[in-house]
Amino acid sequence: DIQLTQSPSFLSASVGDRLSITCRASQGISSYLAWYQQKPGKAPKLLIYAASTLQSGVPSRFSGSGSGTEFTLTISSLQPEDCATYYCQQLNSYPRTFGQGTKVEIK
Amino acid sequence: EVQLLESGGGLVQPGGSLRLSCAASGFTFSSYAMNWVRQAPGKGLEWVSTISGGGGSTYYADSVKGRFTISRDNSRNTLYLQMNSLRAEDTAVYYCARTGVVVTATVSFDYWGQGTLVTVSS
Repeated sequence: DIQLTQSPSFLSASVGDRLSITCRASQGISSYLAWYQQKPGKAPKLLIYAASTLQSGVPSRFSGSGSGTEFTLTISSLQPEDCATYYCQQLNSYPRTFGQGTKVEIK
Repeated sequence: EVQLLESGGGLVQPGGSLRLSCAASGFTFSSYAMNWVRQAPGKGLEWVSTISGGGGSTYYADSVKGRFTISRDNSRNTLYLQMNSLRAEDTAVYYCARTGVVVTATVSFDYWGQGTLVTVSS
């Protein structure tokens, strides 16, 4: 099974800050990586697919990069509504594993 | 508009059974693989199962293999998850999600339902 490790697990930043979340895969997954945002009590929402393609309707301050085993989700200017937990997911093989999540808090 | 609506959750005793349903609308249901993902209270996301558009291929997490069965009725635009021999560790919110595809490659779970809570407790 492919393991995904996200870092950090928790992140506190100020409005307007640029922040990055890393997702490392235990083996190469090409660009078969997606990023999701989940707010408390809500279903996950797709942000990025194929490592770097922004899902329709998602603000352009979100971006993704990487391939192989290392991937990054970047928020260029943190907004209050970005307070959430972020998950990466690999879709290269079964089981379709998720990272453990990164909780983003506003200072 | 794509909509996914889960139902069937509730309280069940250990060893019991439950069947979840996910009613889909707003897209050609039979053209998409579908998935179940769960989230235990306060925990992260765990993929549970996937079924192909025609229903001929199914995949399961090791944690549910042999106990859960995914199926679909394309005439009713409905996805199912039959859960048997339930354990306390199966307690979670269960989400159905549509597979997002680019050309023929699976690239995401692009639409999600609101989830249904399953509680396994005596």
